[in-house]
Amino acid sequence: EIVLTQSPGTLSLSPGERATLSCRASQSVSSSYLAWYQQKPGQAPRLLIYGASSRATGIPDRFSGSGSGTDFTLTISRLEPEDFAVYYCQQYGSSHGAFGQGTKVEIK
Amino acid sequence: QVQLVQSGAEVKKPGSSVKVSCKASGGTFSSYAISWVRQAPGQGLEWMGGIIPIFGTANYAQKFQGRVTITADESTSTAYMELSSLRSEDTAVYYCARDPAAEAVAGNYYYYYMDVWGKGTTVTVSS
Repeated sequence: EIVLTQSPGTLSLSPGERATLSCRASQSVSSSYLAWYQQKPGQAPRLLIYGASSRATGIPDRFSGSGSGTDFTLTISRLEPEDFAVYYCQQYGSSHGAFGQGTKVEIK
Repeated sequence: QVQLVQSGAEVKKPGSSVKVSCKASGGTFSSYAISWVRQAPGQGLEWMGGIIPIFGTANYAQKFQGRVTITADESTSTAYMELSSLRSEDTAVYYCARDPAAEAVAGNYYYYYMDVWGKGTTVTVSS
């Protein structure tokens, strides 16, 4: 079973800054089957990225995903006030899903 | 546009069971899978299992094997998640979510990402 480790646990940044979030898998993720979600307090998660780099419908282009194998990155090019939230990565393409533990992006 | 509407909050006693429903509107229910994900207070997301309604067979995370049952009723476009032998650690928000790409290949089931989520159902387990 693949284990996903996200870093850092918390990222303190100011609006307008660039955010770089990491997701590392314990073994290679086949076919770049990795997704990213955003979750705000009291809300359900929202799909941002799937297939490691494809943006979901309606997701602004300041969000981008990259990586392959065991190392994946979510980049937010310029943080907007509404981007401060918790972000989760998820590995898929198997008989069960697995999430990372999350990275909180907070206002500095 | 697919929407998922979940049943209301529940308060249960330890040792009892809870059954949460997830009704889909829009789209073709049998053309996608439904996964269930839970989130304990202040914690991360945990995939519990999923079902592809057209096949009717559910897959479960090992942690919940024997305690969770996921079913789907195509006639009402509703999925259900029943968790038994409840304990305080099961206190959480339970989400259903649509998996648009899940597939069955040679008898094996593969789950993918989740693009539409219900608002969540809070289940509180307390004596």
